Amino acid sequence: EVQLVESGGGFVQPGGSLRLSCAASGFTFSSYEMNWVRQAPGKGLEWVSYISTSGSVIYYADSVKGRFTISRDNAKNSLYLQMNSLRPEDTAVYFCARDTKFAVAGTYWFDPWGQGTLVTVSS
Amino acid sequence: EIVLTQSPATLSLSPGERATLSCRASQSVSSYLAWYQQKPGQAPRLLIYDASNRATGIPARFSGSGSGTDFTLTISSLEPEDFAVYYCQQRSNWPLGTFGPGTKVDIK
Repeated sequence: EVQLVESGGGFVQPGGSLRLSCAASGFTFSSYEMNWVRQAPGKGLEWVSYISTSGSVIYYADSVKGRFTISRDNAKNSLYLQMNSLRPEDTAVYFCARDTKFAVAGTYWFDPWGQGTLVTVSS
Repeated sequence: EIVLTQSPATLSLSPGERATLSCRASQSVSSYLAWYQQKPGQAPRLLIYDASNRATGIPARFSGSGSGTDFTLTISSLEPEDFAVYYCQQRSNWPLGTFGPGTKVDIK
């Protein structure tokens, strides 16, 4: 069974740091690009970051650029999100999502998703 | 930056009724659009990709249509488990992937 399990969320003061992890199982992790998506309480989905299979290509949303760092360890089947200089507006559930290629069209979509981990930034 | 708008914000319907959800892009995204379903406390689930293709295991009552800037998700006959929030997502500028604000389908 394909599974993604996030961890590392918690309560942190503004300006603080957290490192999120996403443990992958049931598929060849090193063959898939990965993403982080977040959802503020009661709000919609916001794409946060993308990483290629090797980690050599990375993209960030403007809202987190310069503060968040995505990385992966293919030997450990794990995806990470290092979050620094956290702000109250970063409060959200953070999901990891696999970038899955749909062979017929050759396009990529988020499937599956993990269950998410909650990050709360507050003084 | 491509912006997605979804309408209506909330759709109140009864089981068995037809649901029609709209997603509009600020510029053409070709067919690079997907629909996701999210139930309370759960992760989103991919329903439709490339505007009109159902993902694995998605019932036939879900269908997607459209291209360019205007897209529609139709649920032909609502089942109790279909009451949820639905998001569209565009990836015409892959790997970036912006989402719409969502449409909540609730029980009338």
